[in-house]
Amino acid sequence: DGGITQSPKYLFRKEGQNVTLSCEQNLNHDAMYWYRQDPGQGLRLIYYSQIVNDFQKGDIAEGYSVSREKKESFPLTVTSAQKNPTAFYLCASSIDRRRTGGVPLQETQYFGPGTRLLVL
Amino acid sequence: ELKVEQNPLFLSMQEGKNYTIYCNYSTTSDRLYWYRQDPGKSLESLFVLLSNGAVKQEGRLMASLDTKARLSTLHITAAVHDLSATYFCAVEGTSYDKVIFGPGTSLSVIP
Repeated sequence: DGGITQSPKYLFRKEGQNVTLSCEQNLNHDAMYWYRQDPGQGLRLIYYSQIVNDFQKGDIAEGYSVSREKKESFPLTVTSAQKNPTAFYLCASSIDRRRTGGVPLQETQYFGPGTRLLVL
Repeated sequence: ELKVEQNPLFLSMQEGKNYTIYCNYSTTSDRLYWYRQDPGKSLESLFVLLSNGAVKQEGRLMASLDTKARLSTLHITAAVHDLSATYFCAVEGTSYDKVIFGPGTSLSVIP
């Protein structure tokens, strides 16, 4: 079955600690994204990557870091610089529409099940 | 800068009634998504709208796109309790990289 997996489902962070959230996809998608969702709010883009070894900051990148060493994997590290990390983190992937020249495709972003991060 | 707004943000409706959720966006785009999120869960794709005048229907939900007005609507027909969820619209930027989400509409269907 193709899809996106995220782990762990719940993660607890102590103050001053860096933690890493895993995101893996087997959909052969080039583009991957990390979003943060606070209670009762919409999704805000943290980082995105459209090709291996390259990634771009989203709207709220401060206090986070990512890597994209493999096409299937896009881990997110929440660093100690992120002072308010408690949130629901969602990873997504999609076809890179730049490569299709923007040709309309019935494609969407596919989301993983999410990781809930809590601070101890 | 692309901004996406939805209204209403909260909607409580009786079973059997009809209602419309509105999604406005600030800059040109010809691609809009609607997603559903159940409490504590991830997002499920409902519709992808690709061009002006596009209309998609699935069960009691129908979505439309007016790119000239920068407006999409999600119409609910004869609501049932199972439709209770938060509905998000999301708009793709013209450089095909980022997708910006609206704040979501929390729908509660009351028996």
